[in-house]
Formats: sequence, structure tokens, C-alpha cells
Amino acid sequence: GAVVSQHPSRVICKSGTSVKIECRSLDFQATTMFWYRQFPKQSLMLMATSNEGSKATYEQGVEKDKFLINHASLTLSTLTVTSAHPEDSSFYICSARDPGEGSPTGELFFGEGSRLTVL
Amino acid sequence: QQPVQSPQAVILREGEDAVINCSSSKALYSVHWYRQKHGEAPVFLMILLKGGEQKGHDKISASFNEKKQQSSLYLTASQLSYSGTYFCGTAKSGNTPLVFGKGTRLSVIA
Repeated sequence: GAVVSQHPSRVICKSGTSVKIECRSLDFQATTMFWYRQFPKQSLMLMATSNEGSKATYEQGVEKDKFLINHASLTLSTLTVTSAHPEDSSFYICSARDPGEGSPTGELFFGEGSRLTVL
Repeated sequence: QQPVQSPQAVILREGEDAVINCSSSKALYSVHWYRQKHGEAPVFLMILLKGGEQKGHDKISASFNEKKQQSSLYLTASQLSYSGTYFCGTAKSGNTPLVFGKGTRLSVIA
């Protein structure tokens, strides 16, 4: 299947700093990527839909000025957590569909996830 | 709207069977099933499309009842490796994001 890669897999930062997480589609072009957040023992919650060449679409309750999303190319979307605080500590996962033959039925491919810890 | 999964948790002995259910109040295009191990990303199991279908590989299968907007995941002759949290994700169309249920924690013990 199609491959989605995230970096970094783990990051620890001090409160007030910004952290950037990268999501790449390695063998396909993704005009749309989805960012999810997962708190311990909870479900994956959709944060935003990243659209190549245009603004991201944020879910209700997600602060767009805090979680900056940039989808500058067909293979890269970035999520920047600005002025991070301990409550932002979570598991962030990106995902994408292969518009070609990789996911003809709409299968969603996930990155490995990025665990953010804010001290 | 978040699909409803049941049960929330289940404990099995090796070789036993389990059924995990997922239901939605909205019309669905597809239902996706994933398994997640602690600290890891979800792993895709299978996808079922509207029109009602059943799928399976190895000892894991699933069905989708389009009329009832319900899907069930069947785990037969469970193995220790089946332990994890199972999520169903639902989509309204082929290019919309998935909305996930709260998950079902499955523990298989020897």
C-alpha cells in the first residue's frame, strides 16, 4: 500500500516554544491530508484537513492560530504547534489517501505518528 | 458524528471469538477498521463500502449492513497478537476524512 511518513516520531519541548511536525507521502501525491490528535486511551480526533495550495480546514474547537498547517507541495504537509503548553501534549497522526491506484476504495494511510511532550 | 462502538472492552482467552460492533446515525459511504497497539499508529484491517458487503482475511472478517448503518468485526480463534484497541472509522464519501469511534480494547490472554 501507499506509504505516509511522519517526522519526528517523538519530540519534547519546553512550554512556550513551537514545534513542527512533517508528514510526507512517499510514493504518491496527496492533494489532501488529514491531521488527527489522540490523547492517552482516547480515540483519534480529526483536527484539520490540509489542502495543497490553499488554506486548511479546521474542525470546530481547533485553534487555527495555534495549530498552523502548511501544505506547500503534493507530498508534504506540516503541522506547527505554536506556543506549546503541557495540555498540547498528545499523539499527532497524519493520514492521506492515494488518489491513484493505491487506495481505490478510499483507504486512509496513516503516518507513524508523532508523540509531543510539552514540559 | 462519532460512530458508536461496543463493547468498550473485552477480555478473551486464546482461541475464543469476539464481535465488535460499530453503528452510525448517519448514512455512510464506507466503514474502515483499524487495530492500534499501545504507542503505535493504527494499522489498517479492512474497508467495507456501502451496498452491504462482507470481507475477511485470515481469521478476521467484517460485515456492513447499509440499511442499519452498522458494521461488525468478527475475530475468530483469537491469538495473543490480536490484543489492542480496535477502532472503526466512518466516511460519508470517498474523499472525506474518517470519523472514529471511541475504540474497543481487546485483551487476549493465554
